[in-house]
Order: sequence, then C-alpha cells, then structure tokens
Amino acid sequence: AQSVTQPDIHITVSEGASLELRCNYSYGATPYLFWYVQSPGQGLQLLLKYFSGDTLVQGIKGFEAEFKRSQSSFNLRKPSVHWSDAAEYFCAVLPYSGNTGKLIFGQGTTLQVKP
Amino acid sequence: DTGVSQDPRHKITKRGQNVTFRCDPISEHNRLYWYRQTLGQGPEFLTYFQNEAQLEKSRLLSDRFSAERPKGSFSTLEIQRTEQGDSAMYLCASSLREAYNEQFFGPGTRLTVL
Repeated sequence: AQSVTQPDIHITVSEGASLELRCNYSYGATPYLFWYVQSPGQGLQLLLKYFSGDTLVQGIKGFEAEFKRSQSSFNLRKPSVHWSDAAEYFCAVLPYSGNTGKLIFGQGTTLQVKP
Repeated sequence: DTGVSQDPRHKITKRGQNVTFRCDPISEHNRLYWYRQTLGQGPEFLTYFQNEAQLEKSRLLSDRFSAERPKGSFSTLEIQRTEQGDSAMYLCASSLREAYNEQFFGPGTRLTVL
C-alpha cells in the first residue's frame, strides 16, 4: 500500500537557522509529490509540488524541496527560518495511476521556531 | 476568488445525534474532496466528487456517513448516530478537473462528540 513517512514529529530550530524536514514515500512508481503547511485555524496551503523534470523544486515562502528517486525521499528545506514559519508541515503523495486525486498524507511535522 | 469555505467551523454534539457539515468550493472547481484529520495525524481521504457525481469513497466512510453534492456546487457531509470516535477535523478541498491539479483546502469543521 502507498504510504508516506515523516520521521520527525516535532522539530525546533532557532530563527535564522536552516531547516530540513524529511519525507519518505512508499510507492511502486514515482508519484506526484507535495508539501503543505497548516497554521492554527487555517486550511492547508500548498508550498510546492513535484511532478517531473528538475528534481529541485522551488515553492512559496522561500521553501524548496529535492526529490531523490534512489531514496524515495522528498525533503523540504529552507535556508533561513522566520518565526512565522512555525506551523505543521505535511508531505503528501498522489499516486500516478488512477484519476481520483486522492492525496495520501504523512502524519506531519510540527515546527517550532525559537527567537 | 473567495477560497473554500466550510460551515460550521466548530460543532459540539452528543453521542447518537446527527450532524451535517457544508462545504462551498471555489466556484469554477469541478472536483470536491472530503478528508478527515484526527489529532496528531495527517488528513485521510474520505470521498470525492467530480461535479455532482460521487466517484470514490474510502473504507473509512462507514454507512453512517453520507455526502452529497447536488448540482455540482456546494457539498454536505452528514454523520448519523455520531460516536466519540467521529471527533475530528473534517476538511474540504476543491480543485480543477484533472487529478493532479492543486487542491485548495478550507479551514475545516472541528467536530467534538461528547
């Protein structure tokens, strides 16, 4: 069965420090890959997505992610974290086959930013 | 573009009662999705509509759950005879026609079953 693993449930970084959130997926073929952010009281917002092509994708708010086929990973990075980045981050996959649009989410990583 | 809206934002009910949630998608979006999110977990797919047709339902959607999207516009999700295990955030999302298009999420309806 397809699955998404986010190994880090909770991460704390200092403001201005770099950030990397890990995501691994289990799927027979390369799925479509997404990162969403969820702030308290807000809906999920798409940060970036990977379908094909360049394995380093740029997103909104200064985030980027790198797809590594050999590691079945799609890690999210940001060079310098701002206090407003504190939120919950979800990696999601959309299986390539089928047409449902059914996203499969990881359990999320909560990011805390220290001043 | 006013985004996806959901109503109510919070619902507290007693076990055994019926509840209904509403989702208004972005107007030009053909697809509408329902997800459920429990504390500390990512959203889980429940069902989706292409226009007014409900095309897939998750096994999570027991027979106490029913969803409709009359006329392909807003959607309702009804839970009958609520149980404490139904307590969760119910999220609605909409997208354009193709499966790979970005899903825009509403703020969710938080259900608490006492």
